Amino acid sequence: DAGVTQSPTHLIKTRGQQVTLRCSPKSGHDTVSWYQQALGQGPQFIFQYYEEEERQRGNFPDRFSGHQFPNYSSELNVNALLLGDSALYLCASRVQASEQFFGPGTRLTVL
Amino acid sequence: GNSVTQMEGPVTLSEEAFLTINCTYTATGYPSLFWYVQYPGEGLQLLLKATKADDKGSNKGFEATYRKETTSFHLEKGSVQVSDSAVYFCALPANAGGTSYGKLTFGQGTILTVHP
Repeated sequence: DAGVTQSPTHLIKTRGQQVTLRCSPKSGHDTVSWYQQALGQGPQFIFQYYEEEERQRGNFPDRFSGHQFPNYSSELNVNALLLGDSALYLCASRVQASEQFFGPGTRLTVL
Repeated sequence: GNSVTQMEGPVTLSEEAFLTINCTYTATGYPSLFWYVQYPGEGLQLLLKATKADDKGSNKGFEATYRKETTSFHLEKGSVQVSDSAVYFCALPANAGGTSYGKLTFGQGTILTVHP
C-alpha cells in the first residue's frame, strides 16, 4: 500500500514565477492538508481540502491556492514566487477521525 | 489558538545515553499531544501521542507523558541508538477543542545526533 506521494521531489524557480506541486493521498484517505516547512523550522499549516473544497486555511496570502480532484489527489499552487517561499512543502492525508500521514515533501528553491 | 514551545538547539549524544527533549504547550482545554520524527530526506512520521492528561504515549522505546499541571509533554528514551538521529517535533491541534483531524501547530524541531 503506497503512502502519501508527492511530486516533484525538488524544484527550482525564479522570483515572480508560478509553481504547482502535486500530492496523492494514502489509499482510502479523503482529506489532504498542505504544510510549509522553512529551513530549521516546524511545519506551518497552509490549508486543508475535503470533498474538493478548502475547509481550513492558515495565515498564508492568496498567492497560495489549491485544488482537490475527485480522486482525492491535490495540487498546491503558488503565484508570484518570493525568495521567502523557498521551503519544503509537505502534504498530509487522513480519513475521518484518523491520524495524518505525511508525504516526503517537495523541496522548492526560489532564486 | 494553541501553541507549543520546544527546547532549542541541537542535541548530540553518544549511543546508549539517556535522551530528554522538552516540550511545553499553551492550549484551551486538553487537546491531544503528539511527537513526530523526521528522518533525513523524509516526511514526518507520528512517533507517539497522548489523548488525555496523565496518558503516556510510547513507541520504539520513546515515551512522553501528558502533564497538565506543568503543561508539558517531554520526550524521553532510556538508551538512544545511532538510528535515532533525526529531527523531533512536538505538536498539537492549532484550534481550541481541536483533535488530530484538522490543522496541527508544531514546535520548531530538535535535531538529535547520536554518535557511536
